[in-house]
Amino acid sequence: GENVEQHPSTLSVQEGDSAVIKCTYSDSASNYFPWYKQELGKGPQLIIDIRSNVGEKKDQRIAVTLNKTAKHFSLHITETQPEDSAVYFCAATSGGSYIPTFGRGTSLIVHP
Amino acid sequence: GAVVSQHPSWVICKSGTSVKIECRSLDFQATTMFWYRQFPKQSLMLMATSNEGSKATYEQGVEKDKFLINHASLTLSTLTVTSAHPEDSSFYICSAPTPTSPNYNEQFFGPGTRLTVL
Repeated sequence: GENVEQHPSTLSVQEGDSAVIKCTYSDSASNYFPWYKQELGKGPQLIIDIRSNVGEKKDQRIAVTLNKTAKHFSLHITETQPEDSAVYFCAATSGGSYIPTFGRGTSLIVHP
Repeated sequence: GAVVSQHPSWVICKSGTSVKIECRSLDFQATTMFWYRQFPKQSLMLMATSNEGSKATYEQGVEKDKFLINHASLTLSTLTVTSAHPEDSSFYICSAPTPTSPNYNEQFFGPGTRLTVL
């Protein structure tokens, strides 16, 4: 089955800095890679996703890159703000499946 | 995006009682919903797949008699934790695939239900 590794487990940055979270996956059949933000006591919220036919996607301060050959994808947050503080999960989903395999999560702390 | 709600948002119960958690898709129909369990500072663990009009599919190690799932309509799935014990205390989250792009695997998650068993 699919295995998703996520690093780092904790990331502490100063407001205004950039933050990068990296994930690797094992199943070459995976073709959909969502990123979720989970605030304390709430459910995960989809913030950006990328499909295997695209190498990069950007939405304002958030961007995701995908390297299919190396089987890794990354989340980039620029100009971080305190409200970006949360746990971020990457996931990988194989074609035809609705069930993502999640990474272990990264706790992002943005210091004002 | 699609909206998924859960009720209740938190519940405290005594050991030995049963608790029902509802998951609703508010603005779309969901023939499939998923139930997850999340322990503090850990990732989401898939418990079962809820199928409208048929039996749920449980992941290995999840007791189907303990965690009863009913998906009686296209907008509602329920998870009942039977004879709850303190070790069942956890954060339970449901999700549903978006109907707008069924081939694209997108899922939307509910806000979660915090269960505490005393």
